[in-house]
Amino acid sequence: EVQLVESGGGLVKPGGSLRLSCAASGFTFSKYNMNWVRQAPGKGLEWVSYISHSSTYIYYAESVKGRFTVSRDNAKNSLYLQMNSLRVDDTAVYFCAREPENDIFTFDYWGQGSLVTVSS
Amino acid sequence: SYELTQPPSVSVSPGQTARITCSADPLPNQYAYWYQQRPGQAPMLMIYKDTERPSGVPDRFSGSSSGTTLTLTISGVQAEDEADYYCQSADNSGAYVVFGGGTKLTVL
Repeated sequence: EVQLVESGGGLVKPGGSLRLSCAASGFTFSKYNMNWVRQAPGKGLEWVSYISHSSTYIYYAESVKGRFTVSRDNAKNSLYLQMNSLRVDDTAVYFCAREPENDIFTFDYWGQGSLVTVSS
Repeated sequence: SYELTQPPSVSVSPGQTARITCSADPLPNQYAYWYQQRPGQAPMLMIYKDTERPSGVPDRFSGSSSGTTLTLTISGVQAEDEADYYCQSADNSGAYVVFGGGTKLTVL
């Protein structure tokens, strides 16, 4: 069974940093491209970042470019999101999501999310 | 920039047909996808590549595309279909994923 479990969320002050992790199981992690998607409280979904299976290609939304860094460790079946210079409007539930093997720009499995709250 | 526009809400009675639209600007050259999100849960893929349905998704869910309008149709709506629905595609450069603002489906 495919499982994606996020961790590392919490309360942080504006300007602070946080690192999210996503532990993957139930599939060959190294074969799949991965994404981070976030959802502010009561709002819609916003794509944040993409990393290809071998980390060759990395993309970011304009809203986080220069502040967030996505990475992965295929040996540990893990995806990461390093978030620096956090702002109040980064407050959201952050989901990791898998891109299916035979398609692009879509997400077939999602984690349950990790809440990041940026507040003074 | 690339935008997908959805109506904020759609209401239907049980057994009726719900149509949720998603207007794309500019004309997309990427496929469209639809997700269902129930309160407190992660989104779930309901339609991929404009019209295809993943295994396990009831066949009352269907997708279509005409010009710049994408449509998710739910035939014979059931109470369990009450949820938020999001359309999603990618900008024409292929570097950004874009979501619509979401539509709350209410089953009366």
